[in-house]
Amino acid sequence: DAGVTQSPTHLIKTRGQQVTLRCSPKSGHDTVSWYQQALGQGPQFIFQYYEEEERQRGNFPDRFSGHQFPNYSSELNVNALLLGDSALYLCASSLRTGVNEKLFFGSGTQLSVL
Amino acid sequence: DQQVKQNSPSLSVQEGRISILNCDYTNSMFDYFLWYKKYPAEGPTFLISISSIKDKNEDGRFTVFLNKSAKHLSLHIVPSQPGDSAVYFCAASEYNFNKFYFGSGTKLNVKP
Repeated sequence: DAGVTQSPTHLIKTRGQQVTLRCSPKSGHDTVSWYQQALGQGPQFIFQYYEEEERQRGNFPDRFSGHQFPNYSSELNVNALLLGDSALYLCASSLRTGVNEKLFFGSGTQLSVL
Repeated sequence: DQQVKQNSPSLSVQEGRISILNCDYTNSMFDYFLWYKKYPAEGPTFLISISSIKDKNEDGRFTVFLNKSAKHLSLHIVPSQPGDSAVYFCAASEYNFNKFYFGSGTKLNVKP
């Protein structure tokens, strides 16, 4: 039973570039959430996708966008990269059946913006 | 706006003793709380959860306590083992939102 998988594991970009990160949820899960974890901080909620639509969004600018595919996998896109976007990006999956679903996390993509 | 706070960045405990990790929150609408453990180069791993209808939940060596009036929760690990050395995050969400707010983490070091 595969857990949450993310690619790539590491990425180096320069300011102004665009980046796409990918996530495959745990088998049987239909909801994908993205979190940004800056150095020394806890994960911060970016947005959540369910039924191929963005359902909830955190306090992130429109430069951050996403997509969910029919097979529940998801992409996170960041445009016009800033130095401050350097962080670990975590994907988490869950099953949206009822209340209090816990999140299963991938190992993350470490993004460095130079 | 930090709605979940872990005020101790680090904690060092002797093997076999109790580890107590603390977490405070400000949003009274939070009603579901989780603890995650994170090793370097890995994603956070779920440890234990508690909903606001309870004040205690136990799973093996791990117990979470919730004090709603104080908006405070704690994770107790007894007995602590060297393999427990990791960063521990608490997280909270409102009812059925599945949008979690995380604390900044506490790095636990269990010395042999």
